[in-house]
Amino acid sequence: GAGVSQSPRYKVAKRGQDVALRCDPISGHVSLFWYQQALGQGPEFLTYFQNEAQLDKSGLPSDRFFAERPEGSVSTLKIQRTQQEDSAVYLCASSSSRTWAGELFFGEGSRLTVL
Amino acid sequence: RKEVEQDPGPFNVPEGATVAFNCTYSNSASQSFFWYRQDCRKEPKLLMSVYSSGNEDGRFTAQLNRASQYISLLIRDSKLSDSATYLCVVTSGDSWGKLQFGAGTQVVVTP
Repeated sequence: GAGVSQSPRYKVAKRGQDVALRCDPISGHVSLFWYQQALGQGPEFLTYFQNEAQLDKSGLPSDRFFAERPEGSVSTLKIQRTQQEDSAVYLCASSSSRTWAGELFFGEGSRLTVL
Repeated sequence: RKEVEQDPGPFNVPEGATVAFNCTYSNSASQSFFWYRQDCRKEPKLLMSVYSSGNEDGRFTAQLNRASQYISLLIRDSKLSDSATYLCVVTSGDSWGKLQFGAGTQVVVTP
């Protein structure tokens, strides 16, 4: 498809498990973003990449969260030793712009539930 | 205090009526402003950018007041399909890639 693709769409994890969420951005988009959206809240910034470089990771809530984009296309968000407070929708977005992030194209999200 | 604050609503609007709502932002260094729309259990999508001089896109009008640090959105002739959550978005002053989203204003258009 032509849009941002995320997998899995739904993930249930037991507390303490590690999870990996994948994002396939729109082809040719240099910028990629991860956001976390809790129920009833707006998306909260986690991190962003320009090509393979992670330019800002200030939003990652703890060192249990790690994101990578090794070849400048597909990205993976990894959460180690999941906690109940990690339950949220994880949104990936991409943008063609190198200089501003106005129009982000979001994927449908990965809904994580930690039991 | 959150960087972007919005009235959560819901704003219940009869079909054909006009509705307007604001959002306030705290970072005076923010340079770019946007409204995104999010339907229930769907991803956010860009509705419109907000320019200093104000701008209009069909039935939607956005205004920016830098002095008071608020942004407004007005919807005229509301349609049932306008029912959604409207997210106010501003750029962080220190990182161009870091968009700050408000929690959203819910609009419900009724027949």
